[in-house]
Amino acid sequence: SQQGEEDPQALSIQEGENATMNCSYKTSINNLQWYRQNSGRGLVHLILIRSNEREKHSGRLRVTLDTSKKSSSLLITASRAADTASYFCATVFAGGTSYGKLTFGQGTILTVHP
Amino acid sequence: KAGVTQTPRYLIKTRGQQVTLSCSPISGHRSVSWYQQTPGQGLQFLFEYFSETQRNKGNFPGRFSGRQFSNSRSEMNVSTLELGDSALYLCASSAGPLNSGNTIYFGEGSWLTVV
Repeated sequence: SQQGEEDPQALSIQEGENATMNCSYKTSINNLQWYRQNSGRGLVHLILIRSNEREKHSGRLRVTLDTSKKSSSLLITASRAADTASYFCATVFAGGTSYGKLTFGQGTILTVHP
Repeated sequence: KAGVTQTPRYLIKTRGQQVTLSCSPISGHRSVSWYQQTPGQGLQFLFEYFSETQRNKGNFPGRFSGRQFSNSRSEMNVSTLELGDSALYLCASSAGPLNSGNTIYFGEGSWLTVV
């Protein structure tokens, strides 16, 4: 089963608007990574945020992490039509005897209209 | 620096056949993990290899297997293919094991269609 859940499942906005996607997870983590996937393609790594970080920026992307709520958000500012894609958060379970599995949320489908 | 390379990109197989997919990680990366993506189940972890050893395995039947070579290249094999095995198979690499906190990079995937 998926470790995380994302909302919204789908988001439709106009170019220039901001897009916010949320991710929740169930167990303690070392870090959380966000990925983008264009239709039928592989996953493109966007940002890694560690469990001791609260916020991270990369260009138009801003990621926050709240370990007390086991949640993260991805904000894309000034969106472009090229940002149209599915966005996933992924975590590796930390601790226990398991070596760890990378588990994904269900993803948010973002559509940016020109 | 070349990214994660997966071959073949597309393939069609018949039920009952077997298939082998290949993955070349980013140079210097020793961890390779595999994932299956389907519309119904989403992205699911198959297994991870690090230094030629399988470290963890997801909840998949024994028909799914893999291996890693001394140069860190990896292959996954699916035997006795079923229609439900049709999916995008993704390979990922990282410098250290999955639970080491390294960035995990993905390839473009191999699209498998079972008919």
